Amino acid sequence: DVKVTQSSRYLVKRTGEKVFLECVQDMDHENMFWYRQDPGLGLRLIYFSYDVKMKEKGDIPEGYSVSREKKERFSLILESASTNQTSMYLCASSVTGTGGDYSNQPQHFGDGTRLSIL
Amino acid sequence: GQNIDQPTEMTATEGAIVQINCTYQTSGFNGLFWYQQHAGEAPTFLSYNVLDGLEEKGRFSSFLSRSKGYSYLLLKELQMKDSASYLCAVTDSNYQLIWGAGTKLIIKP
Repeated sequence: DVKVTQSSRYLVKRTGEKVFLECVQDMDHENMFWYRQDPGLGLRLIYFSYDVKMKEKGDIPEGYSVSREKKERFSLILESASTNQTSMYLCASSVTGTGGDYSNQPQHFGDGTRLSIL
Repeated sequence: GQNIDQPTEMTATEGAIVQINCTYQTSGFNGLFWYQQHAGEAPTFLSYNVLDGLEEKGRFSSFLSRSKGYSYLLLKELQMKDSASYLCAVTDSNYQLIWGAGTKLIIKP
């Protein structure tokens, strides 16, 4: 079974702090994703990465950056945390299918980090 | 704009059958996923449809009509453990995944 592990289940930080959320997957997946999940909204993609050191912006990248130095680890960074970044953050990974298509592959999620910015 | 519509909440009785609908308006279509998410837990993959028709997997089935922009997830012989949110997600023509807000399913004894 694929295991995606997020470093913290709950995190409380202050406005203006630099915040690091870590995610590790153990199945050698090429693709990794960071989402935020807010009540009444669908998952929104922040960033994704299809290879080591590669990253692509998602729908809401503003205020965030990412790092993927190793294949198994994908970090999300809040450069200067603000209260509107209080949310549930979900990390996911997936394989790349035949023909280089990752969009038809299921994503495997971590349990999430509930982040509160005070 | 791109849009996925699902009912916010549904209630059903243990042992019964429930159908959760998902309608979508997206720029193109390259597949539709259903995920289950228990409260406080990770979403887990249930099904993937890319062609029209019904895909059956045990107590769960998923149906797709591309011409109608419509899918449903059918849960049979409901159990208390099926209480969860069910997320519909569509891959558009740019191979981006668009997520619905999810349907919270409450199972009553």
